[in-house]
Amino acid sequence: EMVMTQSPATLSVSPGERATLSCRASQSVTTNLAWYQQKPGQAPRLLIYGVSTRATGFPARFSGSGSETEFTLTISSLQSEDFAVYYCQQYNNWPLTFGGGTKVEIK
Amino acid sequence: QVQLQESGPGLVKPSQTLSLTCTVSGGSISSGNYYWTWIRQHPGKGLEWIGYIFYSGSTYYNPSLKSRVSISVDTSKNQFSLKLSSVTAADTAVYYCARDRGLRTFDYWGQGTLVTVSS
Repeated sequence: EMVMTQSPATLSVSPGERATLSCRASQSVTTNLAWYQQKPGQAPRLLIYGVSTRATGFPARFSGSGSETEFTLTISSLQSEDFAVYYCQQYNNWPLTFGGGTKVEIK
Repeated sequence: QVQLQESGPGLVKPSQTLSLTCTVSGGSISSGNYYWTWIRQHPGKGLEWIGYIFYSGSTYYNPSLKSRVSISVDTSKNQFSLKLSSVTAADTAVYYCARDRGLRTFDYWGQGTLVTVSS
């Protein structure tokens, strides 16, 4: 099973600052990598797929990059609505697997 | 707008079978190249993909749960269902149904339902 490791577990950021979240795969997932945003009490919401393609409804301040085993989600200027938990997901191999999540909290 | 809604008991006794149903509205479960999926989230933890079903009935399960999982579909009711047998406390989680749009990513989710395994 492909293991996805996210870091840091918690990221404390002030509004307006940049946030950089990391996701590492135990083996190459090529570009089959997605990100989800989850707010308390809600289901996850697809944010990015194919490493860097934003899903409907998400602004350009969210960007994804990387390939093979190392991936990054960047939020260029954090807004209040961006404080949430972010999960990466690989879909290169079965079973589909998710990372443990990074909680982005207000500093 | 597609909507998914989970339903089923919130409390299941150890060794029994967990049964949940997902009702899809705003679109037919039989249309499109979609894979109807179950995902769970243990309290305060990450996400675990359980398996999917295509409207034709073909399924694929997570090997870690395969011996205990069954997913079925009822196209006449626009529903699909999850059964997980021989549950233990480790199966306590929020269970989500979701739509895989054929790209192995999930664009629509239900709100989730907490299932607690306890006597």
